[in-house]
Amino acid sequence: EAGVAQSPRYKIIEKRQSVAFWCNPISGHATLYWYQQILGQGPKLLIQFQNNGVVDDSQLPKDRFSAERLKGVDSTLKIQPAKLEDSAVYLCASSPLTSGIGELFFGEGSRLTVL
Amino acid sequence: GIQVEQSPPDLILQEGANSTLRCNFSDSVNNLQWFHQNPWGQLINLFYIPSGTKQNGRLSATTVATERYSLLYISSSQTTDSGVYFCAANFGNEKLTFGTGTRLTIIP
Repeated sequence: EAGVAQSPRYKIIEKRQSVAFWCNPISGHATLYWYQQILGQGPKLLIQFQNNGVVDDSQLPKDRFSAERLKGVDSTLKIQPAKLEDSAVYLCASSPLTSGIGELFFGEGSRLTVL
Repeated sequence: GIQVEQSPPDLILQEGANSTLRCNFSDSVNNLQWFHQNPWGQLINLFYIPSGTKQNGRLSATTVATERYSLLYISSSQTTDSGVYFCAANFGNEKLTFGTGTRLTIIP
């Protein structure tokens, strides 16, 4: 069974530029999550999708971050414009459950450096 | 929301030693997971253990939900066990909260 796929693995941009990350969850998993992990900290939830609907985006900085999950499968997270403090690893995870939070499976992450 | 604390923050051991990592949580949980973050940054799911005990090879985990803690045991440590270990917990539909992690370094 294929795991959670993410791309790109690494991205370096200058502040005020834009960047997009892509995630394809495990086949059949209804719930998809985007987490932000700053160096030395635990992951922080940015947004949770169930199928193609948003369940929780309370910690997403909506003035610069956006995410979509068209057709309830893969998802894109965009940052525009980027700030220095956005330097982090962006982790995508999926879960088979359609309610509650079950066992999470993570991708390899996308490491963003903002100069 | 729920608070999750992990101890110790750092642990350095010789290869072959055993270790115990602890996770305390502030409220009732129905989801408790342990993850290993490898040196390349990927979070690997070790255990989904809201209660009880599970074992997988040299690793085992126990969650005592009534006392609000979980333990991860690593026996006969290997250098490949190095990395950061996170526990994460939630109750119901609340978001999963991660602890700050335990950084484990295994010296050959």
